[in-house]
Amino acid sequence: QQQVKQSPQSLIVQKGGIPIINCAYENTAFDYFPWYQQFPGKGPALLIAIRPDVSEKKEGRFTISFNKSAKQFSLHIMDSQPGDSATYFCAASSHGSGNTGKLIFGQGTTLQVKP
Amino acid sequence: DAGVIQSPRHEVTEMGQEVTLRCKPISGHDYLFWYRQTMMRGLELLIYFNNNVPIDDSGMPEDRFSAKMPNASFSTLKIQPSEPRDSAVYFCASSPLRGRAYEQFFGPGTRLTVL
Repeated sequence: QQQVKQSPQSLIVQKGGIPIINCAYENTAFDYFPWYQQFPGKGPALLIAIRPDVSEKKEGRFTISFNKSAKQFSLHIMDSQPGDSATYFCAASSHGSGNTGKLIFGQGTTLQVKP
Repeated sequence: DAGVIQSPRHEVTEMGQEVTLRCKPISGHDYLFWYRQTMMRGLELLIYFNNNVPIDDSGMPEDRFSAKMPNASFSTLKIQPSEPRDSAVYFCASSPLRGRAYEQFFGPGTRLTVL
């Protein structure tokens, strides 16, 4: 129940395409859903995050769509660029009484954007 | 701020040797996390601290692994004795208690190779 399942494992798109990465969870106590971006040789860095009280959040070319009833959320990258080529991780955590926000990460999606 | 600092960046050792990984969190952050990243298992949380106190070490693979945080600005992850299956990238991350409390800031990682 603590798992976050992420798909696809890898993704190749042309420049300007809209890659979509999907995640699903079981634990209804999760109340924070971030996406992290990792470039080769670097640590993951927070890209964008959403809470379950909204269905969508946009930051620049990155959008999270959240479906609370289906327990799914996804990352869309509009007008993707070669510089977006990286590994993307979804994650989830709960911050209720006694919890301290331990992040549960998905398995990661390696995105390649071709010029 | 310099961000989370990890040392060494690369470590090559022989099976049976003791390995010590070091981490300096961002000043003022109350949480510190140790992760391990491999192709097979993705990002795994090993242990995390709150105000220098270990909160959850359920991810520590076995007794060969130990972690300490003697003060707010320093933590170590020790593997003794090391085994080839410990080869991975180890990340340290820190997070503030308030404000954007849920964001974890990752260090650059230590790539460990056990021969």
